[in-house]
Amino acid sequence: GESVGLHLPTLSVQEGDNSIINCAYSNSASDYFIWYKQESGKGPQFIIDIRSNMDKRQGQRVTVLLNKTVKHLSLQIAATQPGDSAVYFCAEWRTGFQKLVFGTGTRLLVSP
Amino acid sequence: DTAVSQTPKYLVTQMGNDKSIKCEQNLGHDTMYWYKQDSKKFLKIMFSYNNKELIINETVPNRFSPKSPDKAHLNLHINSLELGDSAVYFCASSTLHRDRGYTFGSGTRLTVV
Repeated sequence: GESVGLHLPTLSVQEGDNSIINCAYSNSASDYFIWYKQESGKGPQFIIDIRSNMDKRQGQRVTVLLNKTVKHLSLQIAATQPGDSAVYFCAEWRTGFQKLVFGTGTRLLVSP
Repeated sequence: DTAVSQTPKYLVTQMGNDKSIKCEQNLGHDTMYWYKQDSKKFLKIMFSYNNKELIINETVPNRFSPKSPDKAHLNLHINSLELGDSAVYFCASSTLHRDRGYTFGSGTRLTVV
């Protein structure tokens, strides 16, 4: 089947730490990538995106890094807060198939 | 002013029943989607519609039938519900150029007993 990313792992951090969530994708033709945050009982919410002609993009407290050579994405969250606790998904846009394919997600737990 | 709204939020029903989930978006997007999220949180696309036309139909049993009366609505009808249909179903929408990805609804948790 189609999948992006690894089995659902859990990353536990302390408030104030920096968090790094990793994702591997499989389709080298994908040209657009997005990170989503899903809180309990809610739908996924857009965090940050990056196109394949970039290798880094920064938002507010978040940075996405793209390494096309090894087909790897990472999401860095600075000064992690309890409100950052959620499941994080990477997703890739598969142009030929006109659809967004999601990875299996990473659960981030932030302790106060 | 909800962007993508789904109803109902929870749906508990018996095996063999037929049920529908409704979705509406007020973002002016022209493409809408249904995704299924299983118990392990894996999100898989089921269907996508662009301007009321079916674009993507993944390998979904034909008991699932989407209907798009206009580009702001995409409903999902499920016949003869089975235990394995239990999941959270998400509706989403996007622009044609899918900038900033998809906007998701808050999901419908379907439980088949």
